[in-house]
Amino acid sequence: GAGVSQSPRYKVAKRGQDVALRCDPISGHVSLFWYQQALGQGPEFLTYFQNEAQLDKSGLPSDRFFAERPEGSVSTLKIQRTQQEDSAVYLCASSLGPSRATNEKLFFGSGTQLSVL
Amino acid sequence: KQEVTQIPAALSVPEGENLVLNCSFTDSAIYNLQWFRQDPGKGLTSLLLIQSSQREQTSGRLNASLDKSSGRSTLYIAASQPGDSATYLCAVVDTGNQFYFGTGTSLTVIP
Repeated sequence: GAGVSQSPRYKVAKRGQDVALRCDPISGHVSLFWYQQALGQGPEFLTYFQNEAQLDKSGLPSDRFFAERPEGSVSTLKIQRTQQEDSAVYLCASSLGPSRATNEKLFFGSGTQLSVL
Repeated sequence: KQEVTQIPAALSVPEGENLVLNCSFTDSAIYNLQWFRQDPGKGLTSLLLIQSSQREQTSGRLNASLDKSSGRSTLYIAASQPGDSATYLCAVVDTGNQFYFGTGTSLTVIP
């Protein structure tokens, strides 16, 4: 596609509900990242994929967070038993190159704004 | 852990002014530094990327400089326009392959 696409754009969940956030990266992009951005803060790293391989999940805040990219293109970030502190904008980004330490630019989606009531 | 700070947190200028946004980081062992723009309710758009071996990069009215040894970068915007109003974020990529973002500078250009 022309850009990184994320859905849904907004998600309201009741505390304890499971949610799934989708990311469609730019076609052919090898690297895919998920970030969490709290209000008034910069994005915080969650996890990184190179094709279908999840090479780094050190930023996932708890075992309630799970991400996958089974065919090396679309990725899903799943949050189980959501808590109020999970409320944030979840951003997906992709880049063409296979390495995280790349001098290529990151392309971001518009994000999914998650509100947990 | 790398810490990235951006000053000021907010800035308001009249149209046509030149302005400078500042970014500082605590660990000079970086791979590159990138400046992004974020519009309300939108994702981030990459503006400029400076490799660790470079001193500056230019794109149109934007010029970014990097002084790795002092842990500083500046984004210079010439002849500001109302369309430049947005939040500007800097991010450093360290040699451990981690991205670290600042909290951003919210810019308002008044017509």
